[in-house]
Order: sequence, then structure tokens, then C-alpha cells
Amino acid sequence: DGGITQSPKYLFRKEGQNVTLSCEQNLNHDAMYWYRQDPGQGLRLIYYSQIVNDFQKGDIAEGYSVSREKKESFPLTVTSAQKNPTAFYLCASSSIGASEYEQYFGPGTRLTVT
Amino acid sequence: AQSVAQPEDQVNVAEGNPLTVKCTYSVSGNPYLFWYVQYPNRGLQFLLKYITGDNLVKGSYGFEAEFNKSQTSFHLKKPSALVSDSALYFCAVRANNDMRFGAGTRLTVKP
Repeated sequence: DGGITQSPKYLFRKEGQNVTLSCEQNLNHDAMYWYRQDPGQGLRLIYYSQIVNDFQKGDIAEGYSVSREKKESFPLTVTSAQKNPTAFYLCASSSIGASEYEQYFGPGTRLTVT
Repeated sequence: AQSVAQPEDQVNVAEGNPLTVKCTYSVSGNPYLFWYVQYPNRGLQFLLKYITGDNLVKGSYGFEAEFNKSQTSFHLKKPSALVSDSALYFCAVRANNDMRFGAGTRLTVKP
């Protein structure tokens, strides 16, 4: 899974609680991304960041928040405002500057909220 | 905005037979196209990409993909399928640092 770690692998939370998913990379990549994966829907972009202390909303940012205080780290918080948080969450990173660069993915975190 | 379509949710092939997983794309400007594979409860692994040049791109694990500009397609192929190739395959297109993924195709290779 290419130098990107996500923890934990499985996470269980009660409804109404915020939860933070960890993502760390040692690839010296400038750009980092968070995706949500649901069965039959492919990957949907939540947030991305191309530089420290800056990030942009993706297609489904509502109910999520991120920070980028270090180049290596891009944690995602799933807030209680997210209506349907149970999903598989994938973090990725890539070089920037040209669209030819592929993204490298972490192993994912499966979040279950009951 | 760019997009990709994977018209088949499921592809079934027998071991040893050739396989094709289809992908069509829509993008303004030059397409940068990618294939990824995902095994159960794992992240996506990069297989191959088309940037420019030869229309036939070779990648990991014996996979290749054929870029066809007139048909706006980028089909993934392998001459002889293995049971271990069974997985979920994603096509993606990238422009302006914005990566868009297809919904995925589940490949099942039967012994």
C-alpha cells in the first residue's frame, strides 16, 4: 500500500460521536486526498489538500472536516452532522504539478456507526 | 468536467481465457487515464496509466490496456486470466489534479 498508513483498520462508534481517522504518508507527496467508498458507487472525493495549511472541499464534504498541519499527515474527522457515516474510507497521496501522476492509496479504514 | 464509465458491474471469465474490462471516458483536452485494482478490504493498487505515445500500455501482473481516442475508450486486458486476478477494478481519468473514478467492475475468474 505504497508508504501510506491509515489507522485504525476497523472503527466502531455510536451515533452522535465525532471520530477522527488517521492518514500518514512518507512518500514526500504534496497532495493528499480523502475518499469515501460505498458498494456500487466507486470512490467519491471528500477533501483534498495540495499544500500544508490549505485544503479544498470535494464532492461530498458535508459532515466532514480535515486539517493539514504537516506535509505527512491529513486526518479526517467524521462529525455527528454526517447523516450516513458508515463506509470504507480511503486516503491517497500524489505528486502535483502534472496530471500524469498516479495516486497512491492507503489500506483504508472501515467505519461503522450504530 | 471529466468522467469515466465502466459499463459492466461484473465480468466472469474462465481461468486461462483472455479477459477484458471496459472503460470509456469523457475529458476536455488530453486524457490521462489510469487503472487500479482493489482486493477485499484493501486500498487501491495502481496497475497502469496512459499519458501519451503508444496506444497499448503494459502494466503490472501481465495487464495491459488499449487507448482508443476515436472511441474514447481505455479497456483493460490480459491474455490469460488467473483465479488470483479476481478483484474489483477501477478506471480513472485525471485532469487539473482532479481524479475521477468509475464505479468499478468486479472480475471473477473461475477455475
